Amino acid sequence: DTAVSQTPKYLVTQMGNDKSIKCEQNLGHDTMYWYKQDSKKFLKIMFSYNNKELIINETVPNRFSPKSPDKAHLNLHINSLELGDSAVYFCASSQDVSSTDTQYFGPGTRLTVL
Amino acid sequence: SQQGEEDPQALSIQEGENATMNCSYKTSINNLQWYRQNSGRGLVHLILIRSNEREKHSGRLRVTLDTSKKSSSLLITASRAADTASYFCATRPTLGAGSYQLTFGKGTKLSVIP
Repeated sequence: DTAVSQTPKYLVTQMGNDKSIKCEQNLGHDTMYWYKQDSKKFLKIMFSYNNKELIINETVPNRFSPKSPDKAHLNLHINSLELGDSAVYFCASSQDVSSTDTQYFGPGTRLTVL
Repeated sequence: SQQGEEDPQALSIQEGENATMNCSYKTSINNLQWYRQNSGRGLVHLILIRSNEREKHSGRLRVTLDTSKKSSSLLITASRAADTASYFCATRPTLGAGSYQLTFGKGTKLSVIP
């Protein structure tokens, strides 16, 4: 059973398009995250939701909009895609926002904007 | 802002040798965690060390933390080809809005040659 799953695994699209990435966790966790990993492997937090409420919203263009329909899902919608959005996007989850929580990562979605 | 910085950026060793990776950070932390990322995969949690701990072991892994120097090291003993991966440190700040999130370094790419 996959703990944190993401779809799609690969996404190739043209500049200006709108796309969504879906994430689901079956761990019963309260907190979910979206990270962006650039070509140099630098991993940066984008958003975090706890019990469907946004708790972290880093400096991310408002073309990126997360949506959490329930605790087990956190989707990422991106409008008007730009070349610089090309990266690997990781979803993660943790039990809650406790400081000692470890995070469980999905396999990633490699987004290529042409 | 980026918190952890791993050193070296890349490390290549023979199977059976020990591998040591270092991490430096900037602000006060609640804990520091190490994650492994195999090529094309998500991150996997390895070990967590709290700010009041100096050393922790898990199997072939040994982590040290020096809060006065704001640095940590990860030692992998008797390395195996399967240890080939990128290793990231992640810090959890003590106070403020940032305490909800982990901040990752850029990682050390370890190659273990059979």
